Amino acid sequence: DTGVSQNPRHKITKRGQNVTFRCDPISEHNRLYWYRQTLGQGPEFLTYFQNEAQLEKSRLLSDRFSAERPKGSFSTLEIQRTEQGDSAMYLCASSHSGAAEAFFGQGTRLTVV
Amino acid sequence: AQSVTQLGSHVSVSEGALVLLRCNYSSSVPPYLFWYVQYPNQGLQLLLKYTSAATLVKGINGFEAEFKKSETSFHLTKPSAHMSDAAEYFCAVSSVEGNNRLAFGKGNQVVVIP
Repeated sequence: DTGVSQNPRHKITKRGQNVTFRCDPISEHNRLYWYRQTLGQGPEFLTYFQNEAQLEKSRLLSDRFSAERPKGSFSTLEIQRTEQGDSAMYLCASSHSGAAEAFFGQGTRLTVV
Repeated sequence: AQSVTQLGSHVSVSEGALVLLRCNYSSSVPPYLFWYVQYPNQGLQLLLKYTSAATLVKGINGFEAEFKKSETSFHLTKPSAHMSDAAEYFCAVSSVEGNNRLAFGKGNQVVVIP
């Protein structure tokens, strides 16, 4: 296992379109996190899964955003009706519930035009 | 709620000089503290972590940080800067009570001057 994998690395979309990102965590990790990072800022927490259960969602996660982790393995993050303000780097991280540290993927950079 | 403050968004350091990045945290429960490094258009790489063991923590690439509870600080240092240290550095705090989700500072962009 080479680490957390995110696809695609880059996505350019027109305003109003839907986009979906995928995250494949480190295989033995049962916790999965999504963060969003805008230019010049630190990452901000969006949502968290333990196995297939979505246990926490940030107020940043509007109703246009939905995340799933159907079998407790990979996760998807969908943004419906994208807006220019959604342009950001979307980062996925995974960890084991017995460990403090999380490991990040390379991120998906979304540009909404 | 947990939070982190990093002052001075851009930090310039001469090659071979000391690197010092300051981080102060706020947490109502015993914290876990981390420093991550990010290169352009890349994800975050863990430099080091504090999880209530030794207060002086050594990480990768010659970096270290010291947890000071009385000062609520976790400053990052490296004795001698290298050109390859040019990157963005983020301090983050989490806790078991918070499901280990991370709260990040705004980051420090480090520029190394030859």
